[in-house]
Amino acid sequence: AIRMTQSPSSLSASTGDRVTITCRASQGISSYLAWYQQKPGKAPKLLIYAASTLQSGVPSRFSGSGSGTDFTLTISCLQSEDFATYYCQQYYSYPPWTFGQGTKVEIK
Amino acid sequence: EVQLVESGGVVVQPGGSLRLSCAASGFTFDDYAMHWVRQAPGKGLEWVSLISWDGGSTYYADSVKGRFTISRDNSKNSLYLQMNSLRAEDTALYYCAKANYYDSSGYMDYWGQGTLVTVSS
Repeated sequence: AIRMTQSPSSLSASTGDRVTITCRASQGISSYLAWYQQKPGKAPKLLIYAASTLQSGVPSRFSGSGSGTDFTLTISCLQSEDFATYYCQQYYSYPPWTFGQGTKVEIK
Repeated sequence: EVQLVESGGVVVQPGGSLRLSCAASGFTFDDYAMHWVRQAPGKGLEWVSLISWDGGSTYYADSVKGRFTISRDNSKNSLYLQMNSLRAEDTALYYCAKANYYDSSGYMDYWGQGTLVTVSS
């Protein structure tokens, strides 16, 4: 199975900050990567697919990049509603579909 | 609007059985594959199972293979997960999620709110 590793596991940031989360795959996955946002007590929400394509309705302050094994999710100007846990997920080789362990973005 | 509503989660004893359901609306259900994904309390997301649009292909995580069975009834726009031989480590919030494609490829573009399964004596 492909292992997905996110860093950092958590971070503290202030509203208005630029935030970058990294996801690394244990083997190449081309651009078959999705990012999800999960707020406490809520279901995950798709933000980005194909490594860099924004899901409809997702604010443009979110962006994704990368291919192969290294990927990033960037929030250009953190808003209060962005404090959440973010997961990457590969859909290149399955089963299983695998997720990173999550990155919790907290208020500084 | 896509809606996925899970049900069936309860407290069950180790070794017991349970069937989860997911009612889908707002999209053409039989055009898409469907997933089950779970999240243990305070933990991350773990993929559990997928079924293709017509039920012809199914996949399972090693942790549930041989104990769980995924199925669907396209006439009722419903997805199911039959869970047998339940263990404490199966305790989790179970989400159904819509795949973005009809077969096994792709990501999960919509998720339900989840149903809680607790395995405890």
